[in-house]
Amino acid sequence: AQSVTQPDIHITVSEGASLELRCNYSYGATPYLFWYVQSPGQGLQLLLKYFSGDTLVQGIKGFEAEFKRSQSSFNLRKPSVHWSDAAEYFCAVNQAGTALIFGKGTTLSVSS
Amino acid sequence: DTAVSQTPKYLVTQMGNDKSIKCEQNLGHDTMYWYKQDSKKFLKIMFSYNNKELIINETVPNRFSPKSPDKAHLNLHINSLELGDSAVYFCASSQGGLAGGQSFFGPGTRLTVL
Repeated sequence: AQSVTQPDIHITVSEGASLELRCNYSYGATPYLFWYVQSPGQGLQLLLKYFSGDTLVQGIKGFEAEFKRSQSSFNLRKPSVHWSDAAEYFCAVNQAGTALIFGKGTTLSVSS
Repeated sequence: DTAVSQTPKYLVTQMGNDKSIKCEQNLGHDTMYWYKQDSKKFLKIMFSYNNKELIINETVPNRFSPKSPDKAHLNLHINSLELGDSAVYFCASSQGGLAGGQSFFGPGTRLTVL
């Protein structure tokens, strides 16, 4: 069955520290891969996406993610976290024209 | 211009009522979706719809029905509302074909059933 796993339910990171959020997927073929962020009470904002090509993708707000086919992973990273990054992060997969399958999300808290 | 819009943003109603949420996209996309985000923030697809095919998530009660008057609109009708229907509902759209992986989301409708 197709699925997305985000192993970390909640992560706390100090402001200025680096961040890595994990995402693993199970899919019949290589899917399109996405990371979305949701601030409290807000909608979903796309951080970055991977369709093909370079496996290291750059997104908005200083985020990047690396696609590793052998590990079926698409981990999100940021070298220096800001307090405003505190939010819910969702990894998602699909294929063209199909619905997204989301992970259960990782809550990021940023401590000062 | 808002790419994907939903109305209302908030909806508070009593159990047993029937309500609708409207969604419009001005991106020219051919596929639209409804997702439900529950109290644990888990996002799950409810419906996928293009002008050829409606795909229904088998776990969605038949009290929920999508209605598409045209390609740019996909409304969600809910009959006999139940407490468990309280959630945030997101509309989204995407373009099919090989370049069509990205979905664009509306701002969400927070439904509260009392």
